Amino acid sequence: DSGVTQTPKHLITATGQRVTLRCSPRSGDLSVYWYQQSLDQGLQFLIHYYNGEERAKGNILERFSAQQFPDLHSELNLSSLELGDSALYFCASSNQILGYNEQFFGPGTRLTVL
Amino acid sequence: KNEVEQSPQNLTAQEGEFITINCSYSVGISALHWLQQHPGGGIVSLFMLSSGKKKHGRLIATINIQEKHSSLHITASHPRDSAVYICAVGGNTGNQFYFGTGTSLTVIP
Repeated sequence: DSGVTQTPKHLITATGQRVTLRCSPRSGDLSVYWYQQSLDQGLQFLIHYYNGEERAKGNILERFSAQQFPDLHSELNLSSLELGDSALYFCASSNQILGYNEQFFGPGTRLTVL
Repeated sequence: KNEVEQSPQNLTAQEGEFITINCSYSVGISALHWLQQHPGGGIVSLFMLSSGKKKHGRLIATINIQEKHSSLHITASHPRDSAVYICAVGGNTGNQFYFGTGTSLTVIP
């Protein structure tokens, strides 16, 4: 158990819908990272938050947005969903601001868009 | 163009064999990570290294910064080592990550 929690575990929805994925980092970790893992693209970095502020963006679509709240949990919002958004979405946390520190991964949320 | 290349893509080994997985990258990095993903999907960070060599149990990771290359070695492989091993690099701005496509390892008893 990494100490990182993600909800829900599974999510099935329809095209055009909007969903919210939630991540709670390990106690004391200020950084949260979001990743997408699809069958054809592998793992991709989406976005990084540190202590409530966005620090870096990767391959995140404009239809996707994220935020980190004062209690340090983070939410990833996916809107106008398309079939191609079906993937595993992981969050990870670390106790540092920069990327050269160990990250602890949550169990992931499996999103299926029908 | 992939910033991180792994080889081989698939690997089957007999229990007890010595295994090597390779990772080459093309960007300047702050650190390189080796991750393990089991069939259930969960990801575990095995190593994070920016120079030299690290060892944890039967796992050894090395990195050569000049050659932009890292290797993950598994000694005395065991069926429970069967998983996908993913190489990831943190860019030297500290705020970008690039992933290899993974090496799927199957260890046969």
